Amino acid sequence: DTGVSQDPRHKITKRGQNVTFRCDPISEHNRLYWYRQTLGQGPEFLTYFQNEAQLEKSRLLSDRFSAERPKGSFSTLEIQRTEQGDSAMYLCASSLDGGASYNEQFFGPGTRLTVL
Amino acid sequence: AQKVTQAQTEISVVEKEDVTLDCVYETRDTTYYLFWYKQPPSGELVFLIRRNSFDEQNEISGRYSWNFQKSTSSFNFTITASQVVDSAVYFCAVPPWMDSSYKLIFGSGTRLLVRP
Repeated sequence: DTGVSQDPRHKITKRGQNVTFRCDPISEHNRLYWYRQTLGQGPEFLTYFQNEAQLEKSRLLSDRFSAERPKGSFSTLEIQRTEQGDSAMYLCASSLDGGASYNEQFFGPGTRLTVL
Repeated sequence: AQKVTQAQTEISVVEKEDVTLDCVYETRDTTYYLFWYKQPPSGELVFLIRRNSFDEQNEISGRYSWNFQKSTSSFNFTITASQVVDSAVYFCAVPPWMDSSYKLIFGSGTRLLVRP
């Protein structure tokens, strides 16, 4: 059984470039989350998918950020015109739909983005 | 904004000592879930426990135990006979009140260093 995977693990880019990250959740999990973690802080929620539907986006997610989950499987997070403030660890998590219950989220290893 | 407070930024203990990590949370929900995650140096968040606010019994899992006190909104985590492998950053997390996305709000974490 594989866990949540993310690709790439590290990305270094120049300011103004576009980057795209991929997340493959645990196969039977229909909930998928993106979080961002900066140094010394806990993860902060960015966006949430239930199957292929993006149901919530944080105010942290400016219009330079877009996320998709086509067919309710893997997800991509794209950042356009990157800024130095975008440098962070981007974490993906997935969980099983527990109805009204909060099932535990399983996290991937993250993609560390450095914007020069 | 709703907060999860982990007042201890960093704790250093000698191997075999017991250590307690504090977590105080805010919520307006009458029923809710609480979580602890571990983030070892490798970076991947590892799920440790999920508790339902209905159940106020303390929980023990091997060397780990959790003390939930609804009256003081605290959910503390104790490691008994700590080991070097316990060195990590530990995060407490709760869902936002009246939330429908199943996301989590994380504290800023407590870095635990267990010295040989």
